[in-house]
Amino acid sequence: EIVMTQSPATLSVSPGERATLSCRASESVSSNLGWYQQKPGQAPRLLIYGASTRATGIPARFSGSGSGTEFTLTISSLQSEDFAVYHCQQYNNWPRTFGQGTKVEIK
Amino acid sequence: EVQLVESGGGLVQPGGSLRLSCEASRFTFSNYAMTWVRQAPGQGLEWVSTISNTGGSTYYADSVKGRFTISRDSSKNTLYLQMNSLRAEDTAVYYCARFWGYGDYWGQGTLVTVSS
Repeated sequence: EIVMTQSPATLSVSPGERATLSCRASESVSSNLGWYQQKPGQAPRLLIYGASTRATGIPARFSGSGSGTEFTLTISSLQSEDFAVYHCQQYNNWPRTFGQGTKVEIK
Repeated sequence: EVQLVESGGGLVQPGGSLRLSCEASRFTFSNYAMTWVRQAPGQGLEWVSTISNTGGSTYYADSVKGRFTISRDSSKNTLYLQMNSLRAEDTAVYYCARFWGYGDYWGQGTLVTVSS
């Protein structure tokens, strides 16, 4: 199975600053990569699919990039509602696999 | 807005069985593949199983293969997960999602606790 590795595990950022989250696949997943946001006690919310396409209703401050094995989620200017856990997930192969998550916390 | 509502979770003893349901509304259920994803306490997300829109294809994580069965009833707009031979490590919140490659809509989850 494809192993997804996210870094860092925790990212401390001040409101208004830029956050850069990384996701690496153990083998190429082409652009078949999604990003989700999850807040405590809530279900995941799709942010990005196809590595770089924002899902419906997702603000433009969220952007995704990368292909193959290296991917990045960038939040250009962190708002209070953006402090959460972010998960990447590949859908190039079965089984679908998720990274372990990156927690974005207030600095 | 798409709605997915899970039910059927609860406390079950090791070796026991449970059936989860997910009622879908506000979209054409028969047009979409559906998936179960779980999250153990304090852990990340784990894909469990996917069923195609017709029900003709199913996929399972190795950790549940042979013990869990995914199914759907399009006349009831409902997705199911039959879970047998439950283990302590199956303890998690189980989410259903409209999901083939990625999940664009998710339910709020139902908690399954396997403990004696």
